[in-house]
Amino acid sequence: AQRVTQVQPTGSSQWGEEVTLDCSYETSEYFYRIFWYRQLFSGEMVFLIYQPSFDTQNQRSGRYSVVFQKSFKSISLVISASQPEDSGTYFCALSELISGTYQRFGTGTKLQVVP
Amino acid sequence: EAAVTQSPRNKVAVTGGKVTLSCNQTNNHNNMYWYRQDTGHGLRLIHYSYGAGSTEKGDIPDGYKASRPSQENFSLILELATPSQTSVYFCASGEAGTYEQYFGPGTRLTVL
Repeated sequence: AQRVTQVQPTGSSQWGEEVTLDCSYETSEYFYRIFWYRQLFSGEMVFLIYQPSFDTQNQRSGRYSVVFQKSFKSISLVISASQPEDSGTYFCALSELISGTYQRFGTGTKLQVVP
Repeated sequence: EAAVTQSPRNKVAVTGGKVTLSCNQTNNHNNMYWYRQDTGHGLRLIHYSYGAGSTEKGDIPDGYKASRPSQENFSLILELATPSQTSVYFCASGEAGTYEQYFGPGTRLTVL
């Protein structure tokens, strides 16, 4: 069964716009984290930001932030002032403390930012 | 300087042949992971390890074996490769007790 779902297979944005990418997940654990990665066209996975389950504050890192709706088991990645170099495929991943440190990934959202 | 490296970066194998994918990390992390990435599936966990000498099955271990001979090295072995194992394989490492993982560049495997 899919534990992490990204329902948007593709997305687009114009330069300077704010972009929101959605992710939902299934877990019965109290302690977990949600990670966001961007995969470059080269295949390299780049870590962007993570949200711990116990933190009610939405995390921010540079132009990246998240909107964490714990009760809905939903999290969105927000990219402010998008740029063409933000193009790539974005993955969210769930890591549950009880299952160790491995991560379960969604299927990704391919984002294109056009000038 | 890359902390997680994979070799080979590209591999073409024949059906029924044996394939070994290697991963080396200089992070001194206890945990290492093998994923495969296919269109429509994202990354899926094949095997992982908590340290030298240990291997554990992930979500899709069938057809794969793993070996962790040292802290730094973690191999994925396909004893009898099949075309369904054509994919991009990623290795990652992570510190025990934390959640973060650091990925290698990936290996593109084609089984003909």
